[in-house]
Amino acid sequence: QKEVEQNSGPLSVPEGAIASLNCTYSDRVSQSFFWYRQYSGKSPELIMSIYSNGDKEDGRFTAQLNKASQYVSLLIRDSQPSDSATYLCAVIPNFGNEKLTFGTGTRLTIIP
Amino acid sequence: EPEVTQTPSHQVTQMGQEVILRCVPISNHLYFYWYRQILGQKVEFLVSFYNNEISEKSEIFDDQFSVERPDGSNFTLKIRSTKLEDSAMYFCASSGVSGRGTDTQYFGPGTRLTVL
Repeated sequence: QKEVEQNSGPLSVPEGAIASLNCTYSDRVSQSFFWYRQYSGKSPELIMSIYSNGDKEDGRFTAQLNKASQYVSLLIRDSQPSDSATYLCAVIPNFGNEKLTFGTGTRLTIIP
Repeated sequence: EPEVTQTPSHQVTQMGQEVILRCVPISNHLYFYWYRQILGQKVEFLVSFYNNEISEKSEIFDDQFSVERPDGSNFTLKIRSTKLEDSAMYFCASSGVSGRGTDTQYFGPGTRLTVL
């Protein structure tokens, strides 16, 4: 069973601080990694994708991938109350168009 | 910006009834998916569809489920005889042609299915 593991939280972070979200995956051949944000009752919304080891930055978001450790993380800088949501880590085995395997998500609360 | 749309937003049905959930994927996408999320649980893959046929399905996607692309724009999920445990949020997603950087799946807003 190919799994994606996340700490379910809740994770509480003061406004303006850095939020750090972590994810591990079991399938060593996985190649494509995604972070989605999901507000309560809404659909997953893509935040970041990452395919290569290292960091990828997009605005206040940085995704980090370490394939040797089978670990992917998301940093949110200057956290805002609107960042309060559940963050879903998702993985597909290849670069192609295959099913996403999701983690259970980490619930993030930004405290004003 | 193109987006995936789904109808209805909420469907209430009696156990044993058939339901059809509808999706309009992003127009130039070729890969289509259904996922579901039971309240409080993780998003689970149901089925993927490409070139007018199922490319992969999960154990959840049993004989009660079927998918169809009846025309050039719609993608449907049919549940033949609904059970209480089918109550969930159903998400349609689509992605572009195969290749690195184009496998991003974009999700529709979902249909909340309630089986009574």
